[in-house]
Amino acid sequence: GESVGLHLPTLSVQEGDNSIINCAYSNSASDYFIWYKQESGKGPQFIIDIRSNMDKRQGQRVTVLLNKTVKHLSLQIAATQPGDSAVYFCAENILPSGTYKYIFGTGTRLKVLA
Amino acid sequence: DSGVTQTPKHLITATGQRVTLRCSPRSGDLSVYWYQQSLDQGLQFLIQYYNGEERAKGNILERFSAQQFPDLHSELNLSSLELGDSALYFCASSDTEGNSPLHFGNGTRLTVT
Repeated sequence: GESVGLHLPTLSVQEGDNSIINCAYSNSASDYFIWYKQESGKGPQFIIDIRSNMDKRQGQRVTVLLNKTVKHLSLQIAATQPGDSAVYFCAENILPSGTYKYIFGTGTRLKVLA
Repeated sequence: DSGVTQTPKHLITATGQRVTLRCSPRSGDLSVYWYQQSLDQGLQFLIQYYNGEERAKGNILERFSAQQFPDLHSELNLSSLELGDSALYFCASSDTEGNSPLHFGNGTRLTVT
């Protein structure tokens, strides 16, 4: 499949610290990117998105950075809280042949330490 | 709450059986997507509908089919079930045919015994 992986990378962060979660995307033609948060037993929840004509976008406590040169996306969470513990994954959106296609990353597990 | 509703939440059935999963998209969303999520793989795209018409197909097995009805709700039918079909099945909706956020339901957990 396009996103594989049984063992997710894990990022452990102390409560109150900032978290940075990284994602390498695959296609230089992708022009829209989304970050999702998935808690256990729930569906992926939209966090923030960014289009390829931007380098940075800020939301509430979250910032997404896009580096098109190296095809890299990052999600920064400020003042990480216990409720931020979840799996985070990015998605890229591309128009390969007349129909938009979303490609999802495998995800990073964020553990917030009290 | 994403506004996307999926039923049932859990489904346990035997091999060889057929099940139907249901999805109601967010109000106003015309696109519905179906994804499968199992432990050894991430989100796998199955199929997309837009305003009642099939728009894109992913790695959907021939034993699986879907449709989107005039009221925009969608159903995913899984037949001749195998043990390997056990997974979480998610529905997502968006207001366009693509290039906008997908909003996911909380999924149906299918267990085939």
